[in-house]
Amino acid sequence: GAVVSQHPSWVICKSGTSVKIECRSLDFQATTMFWYRQFPKQSLMLMATSNEGSKATYEQGVEKDKFLINHASLTLSTLTVTSAHPEDSSFYICSATLLYDDTQYFGPGTRLTVL
Amino acid sequence: KQEVTQIPAALSVPEGENLVLNCSFTDSAIYNLQWFRQDPGKGLTSLLLIQSSQREQTSGRLNASLDKSSGRSTLYIAASQPGDSATYLCAVGGGSEKLVFGKGTKLTVNP
Repeated sequence: GAVVSQHPSWVICKSGTSVKIECRSLDFQATTMFWYRQFPKQSLMLMATSNEGSKATYEQGVEKDKFLINHASLTLSTLTVTSAHPEDSSFYICSATLLYDDTQYFGPGTRLTVL
Repeated sequence: KQEVTQIPAALSVPEGENLVLNCSFTDSAIYNLQWFRQDPGKGLTSLLLIQSSQREQTSGRLNASLDKSSGRSTLYIAASQPGDSATYLCAVGGGSEKLVFGKGTKLTVNP
């Protein structure tokens, strides 16, 4: 149980385009979803926290107008990287939690490469 | 600001050896601590979660300990196997479900 999926698993795009990444909880309703970014040989860094039906809370230094998060339902959150640039190339991972459960269940990640 | 450090950054051991991975954190006011496994290019698999009131957790060949006062946690892996090769991440939770991660220890178990 507690499976989280992400789509796509990898994407290559041209500079200036927008990319949408989906995060789904497959067999549970996720009260909260998190978006992380991981650069090579670096820690996972939390970008934002989202709760269904409300605006996401962004971490300091993360541009909310560049990284748009929509948490439209208890099983789906999307991250849109707008006007992507090469420096946005990274591994994006989402996670989800259940109510009354401290464990974060992570998706398999999305590798974004911006040319 | 919470900072998490993992030592060593990389470790290579022969199969069958017992090993210890270390994690330290600067702010002892944590809610919980988790150990994760990450395979290359993949997401994270939760291994063990220790609540702040607990001292250790065990799952199979894995044992994680927590010493809040000294800001340290260890992950003990018994009788290591090649399939244990992966990067092991330590993360501390601050109570708002946010996790702060270390950079990880890359483990290689040689047959």
